[in-house]
Amino acid sequence: EIVLTQSPATLSLSPGERATLSCRASQSVSTSYLAWYQQKPGQAPRLLIYGASTRATAIPDRFSGRGSATDFTLTINSLEPEDFAIYYCQQYDSSPWTFGHGTKVEIK
Amino acid sequence: QLQLQESGPGLLKPSQTLSLTCTVSDDSISSGTFYWGWVRQPPEKGLEWLGSITYSGNTYYNPSLESRLTISADTSRNQFSLSLISVTAADTAIYYCARLGGYTRGLFDSWGQGTLVTVSS
Repeated sequence: EIVLTQSPATLSLSPGERATLSCRASQSVSTSYLAWYQQKPGQAPRLLIYGASTRATAIPDRFSGRGSATDFTLTINSLEPEDFAIYYCQQYDSSPWTFGHGTKVEIK
Repeated sequence: QLQLQESGPGLLKPSQTLSLTCTVSDDSISSGTFYWGWVRQPPEKGLEWLGSITYSGNTYYNPSLESRLTISADTSRNQFSLSLISVTAADTAIYYCARLGGYTRGLFDSWGQGTLVTVSS
C-alpha cells in the first residue's frame, strides 16, 4: 500500500502567516490522485483539495495545492482564525486508499 | 443538500459484532455515480479507510480488516451498513460513513458526522 508521510507534525503560526504543509508518498501517485482534508475538533474531515491542486466546492482561494509523483504541498496563504485545524493528505490512486497521519496547524 | 447519518450502538464488549448503518439523504446510493464507504478514526489518531460498496453492490475492503468486515446496502431504504465481527479495544474509534467520487471512486467528497464506538468489557 502507499504510505503517506506528512511533515511537520505540528506547525505553530500566527494569523496572517503562510502555512506550508508537506505530504510525501512511498511510491508515485499517478495522475496526481492526491487530496487534502481539513478536520476541526469534534467534526468530520472536509475535502479541501483533490487532484493535487483543484479546490473543492466553496473552498477559499487562500488554500492551494501542488505537487506530483511523490511530493505534494498544501499552502494556506494568510491564515484565518478558522484555519487552525488538522490537515490530512490522502491518495486515491491505488487501493487501499490511505491517509497521512496529519499536520496540526496551531496558533502560535 | 447531501446528508449522511451514521447510527448504531456506541458501546460493545470484546468479541461482539459491531453493526452500523449510514442513511443517505438527497442522493441515491444506486445512482451509479458514486461509491459509498466507511472510514474510522481511533481517539487522537489518524484516518483509516475500511471499505466501500458500489452502486451495484460490489464491495472493496482494506486488507487489514477484510477477514472481519462486511459492507452491505439496502437500496430500498437508501442505506448502507457495516458489520465488523470479533471486536477488540483496538476497534474503538469514531466511525464515519462517506461518499466516494473521483475517477477511482476513492475520493471522500462528503462525510457523515461520525459516531463513536467504544469497545470495553
